[in-house]
Amino acid sequence: GAVVSQHPSRVICKSGTSVKIECRSLDFQATTMFWYRQFPKQSLMLMATSNEGSKATYEQGVEKDKFLINHASLTLSTLTVTSAHPEDSSFYICSARPALGAPLHFGNGTRLTVT
Amino acid sequence: AQSVTQPDIHITVSEGASLELRCNYSYGATPYLFWYVQSPGQGLQLLLKYFSGDTLVQGIKGFEAEFKRSQSSFNLRKPSVHWSDAAEYFCAVGLFGNEKLTFGTGTRLTIIP
Repeated sequence: GAVVSQHPSRVICKSGTSVKIECRSLDFQATTMFWYRQFPKQSLMLMATSNEGSKATYEQGVEKDKFLINHASLTLSTLTVTSAHPEDSSFYICSARPALGAPLHFGNGTRLTVT
Repeated sequence: AQSVTQPDIHITVSEGASLELRCNYSYGATPYLFWYVQSPGQGLQLLLKYFSGDTLVQGIKGFEAEFKRSQSSFNLRKPSVHWSDAAEYFCAVGLFGNEKLTFGTGTRLTIIP
């Protein structure tokens, strides 16, 4: 149980275009989901907290206009990287927990490459 | 602010040997502690967690970890590693009611035959 699905697993896009990444909780409802970014050989950095039915909460230094988050239902959150640039190339991972206090479950991540 | 330190960036262990990965945390209260494992290009899988109670916790794949409050540590151990254990291991801390997790920088584990 507690499966988090992330799509796509890999995406290559051209500089200036936008890319949407989906994060779904398959067997539980998640009022909150989390988006992380991971640079090569580094740890996970929390980008934002996605809240169902309300605005996302962004961590300091994360551009909310560049990384648009939508959490329209209890099982789906999307992260859109707008006007992507090569420096946005990274590994993006979403997570959610099935209940308050339960451990986070992670998606398999999305490798974004901006050319 | 809370922080997590994993002092070892890379560890190499022979298959069948024992393993200990270190994790130290700095927190104002008793945190919730986690160990996650990440295979290349994959998301994170939960190995084990500590919330309260017995300070020695058992996880999946034969891993265990011990919470030592006096040392602010939560080291991960395995008596005998397998080649399939080669991966990146992350220690993380959080607070109940605060859903954010803070991750350590990770320890890459290499297994040699």
